Formats: sequence, structure tokens, C-alpha cells
Amino acid sequence: AQKVTQAQTEISVVEKEDVTLDCVYETRDTTYYLFWYKQPPSGELVFLIRRNSFDEQNEISGRYSWNFQKSTSSFNFTITASQVVDSAVYFCALRGAGANSKLTFGKGITLSVRP
Amino acid sequence: KAGVTQTPRYLIKTRGQQVTLSCSPISGHRSVSWYQQTPGQGLQFLFEYFSETQRNKGNFPGRFSGRQFSNSRSEMNVSTLELGDSALYLCASHKAGANRGYNEQFFGPGTRLTVL
Repeated sequence: AQKVTQAQTEISVVEKEDVTLDCVYETRDTTYYLFWYKQPPSGELVFLIRRNSFDEQNEISGRYSWNFQKSTSSFNFTITASQVVDSAVYFCALRGAGANSKLTFGKGITLSVRP
Repeated sequence: KAGVTQTPRYLIKTRGQQVTLSCSPISGHRSVSWYQQTPGQGLQFLFEYFSETQRNKGNFPGRFSGRQFSNSRSEMNVSTLELGDSALYLCASHKAGANRGYNEQFFGPGTRLTVL
């Protein structure tokens, strides 16, 4: 069985602060894929990033960066210089490579960025 | 490229009724997955379809069913609705390949179902 834990439920920051969203996962698969999705108030989940289990390189995309560490089974997401438009629910998700794999989501973290 | 579309966007039903939700995937995507989102349980996987065949199913009762058509459009049906079925139902489409886990899923806006 696979599991994704997002221990933080709600985070509130002031604009321009940096914020890190934590994600810890469990899986027995040797090959798996990790994802981050953003769900703004409109409700539609927006894909942010995918990371393969065999690629531990960190990634930066503008103000967003991701830190994948297999040793601690973590895939954390940092927003630098947060903006009000970053306010949303952020989900970490995991899917194995097997034929019967399914996408398993964490409970989500509600991020509020205040002006 | 048009995104994933879901109809209707909002639906109000009463207990005992049945409901059908529709999803049109992104052009070229042959896999469709359905999820239920509630405040208490979060996002839960319902089922996945590829080429009109159910590939995988989550832990939901038999009242929840789905199907996929030859044009990849999908429908899900919930029979004998219960109050607890009130939720946001999300459909996602993705490319199908040898390694299905790799492909990111693109989500529609969802159908908000309220059961009274």
C-alpha cells in the first residue's frame, strides 16, 4: 500500500515570505512518481511538477523549487517570495509504475498568503 | 488545446436518486480517471479507464460505476444516492503509455454534487 502524508494542514504567511510545504510518502515500489498539484478556489487541480524515483535532482522553476530526498522519503515544495496568487490548496501525490497503480493524494495543505 | 471538460458543473439531487456525470478528456488522451473530493476524506480515487476498459478501481461501493466510450469520453454513475455522496467529483485525463504512472494527469473543473 502507498501513503502520502502532508502533516501541515494550514499555513498562513505574509506576502514575500518564503514558505515550504512538506510531503512524506510511503511505498513498496522501487519505481514510482511523485507529483505536486495546486487547487485554487476555482477547484480545478493544476499540475505543477513530476519527479521520478530514480532522479533525485532538485528542481527550480521561477519562484518554485522542489527538494526530493529518497533517504527520508520526502518531496518538499518551497515557494520563494510568496504572492497572494499563491493562495490555494497544494496536494502532493504518488503513483507507482505497476499496472494496477493509482494516484494517491495527501490531504492537502491550505496556503494563505496575506498582502 | 481544450482542457478536460465536465458536465454538469453543479447538481442537486435527493437521497435515493441516481446521477450520471460526464467527462470529456483532452484530445489525444485515452485514459480517464475519476476522483471524489470531500473535506473529510480528501481526494480519493474512484476508477480509471483506458480504451473502454476499467483498468483500476478504488474502494467504493458498487453503487459507483463508470464507463468509457470509443471517443474516450467517460461517464460515472452513482445509484441510490446517500447524503455522504455529496462531494466534488473530479475527472482527469492523461496519455496512456507503457508506463502509466509516469504521465501527469490533467484535471477538469469538477462536478459539485449535493445530495439532500
